Amino acid sequence: DIQMTQSPSFLSASVGDRVTINCKASQNINKYLDWYQQKLGEAPKLLIYNTNSLHTGIPSRFSGSGSGTDFTLTISSLQPEDVATYFCLQHNSGYTFGAGTKLELK
Amino acid sequence: EVQLVESGGGLVQPGRSLKFSCAASGFTFSDYAMAWVRQAPKKGLEWVATIIYDGSSTYYRDSVKGRFTISRDNAKSTLYLQMDSLRSEDTATYYCARTTTGWYFDFWGPGTMVTVSS
Repeated sequence: DIQMTQSPSFLSASVGDRVTINCKASQNINKYLDWYQQKLGEAPKLLIYNTNSLHTGIPSRFSGSGSGTDFTLTISSLQPEDVATYFCLQHNSGYTFGAGTKLELK
Repeated sequence: EVQLVESGGGLVQPGRSLKFSCAASGFTFSDYAMAWVRQAPKKGLEWVATIIYDGSSTYYRDSVKGRFTISRDNAKSTLYLQMDSLRSEDTATYYCARTTTGWYFDFWGPGTMVTVSS
């Protein structure tokens, strides 16, 4: 089974900061890596699919990059409404989620 | 607008069964594979099962194979999960998720909570 290692597990940043979250796969997953945002008490919301494709309606401050085993979610300028937990998901072989990154405002 | 609404969760004793559903609207349900994903309290997300658009193929994570059954009624635009021989480790919020042709989840329901406890 493919394992996903997500880092950091916790992140504190200020409004306007550039924020990066990483996911590392235990083996090559090609481009099949997605990013989700989950606010407290809500369902996960798709942000990015297949490494770098922005889902409909998602602000352009969110972007994704990477390939193979190493992937990054970037928020170019953090907004207060971005406070949430972020998960990565590989769907190259079955499905495996990262453990999550809790993002808070400093 | 795509909407997915789960219902039927609750408290159930270990070893018992529970079936819950996900009502879909705002899209052609029969065009999409669907999945169940769960999240144990204060834990990460875990894929549970997938059913393809016409119900002819299903897939399960190892820990629920033989105990859970995913099914769908395209005429009613509804997805189901039948859970038998429930264990405490099945306690979680269960989300239904629409699955794209690229096999990622693009829309999720708000979830239904299942607690397995005596």
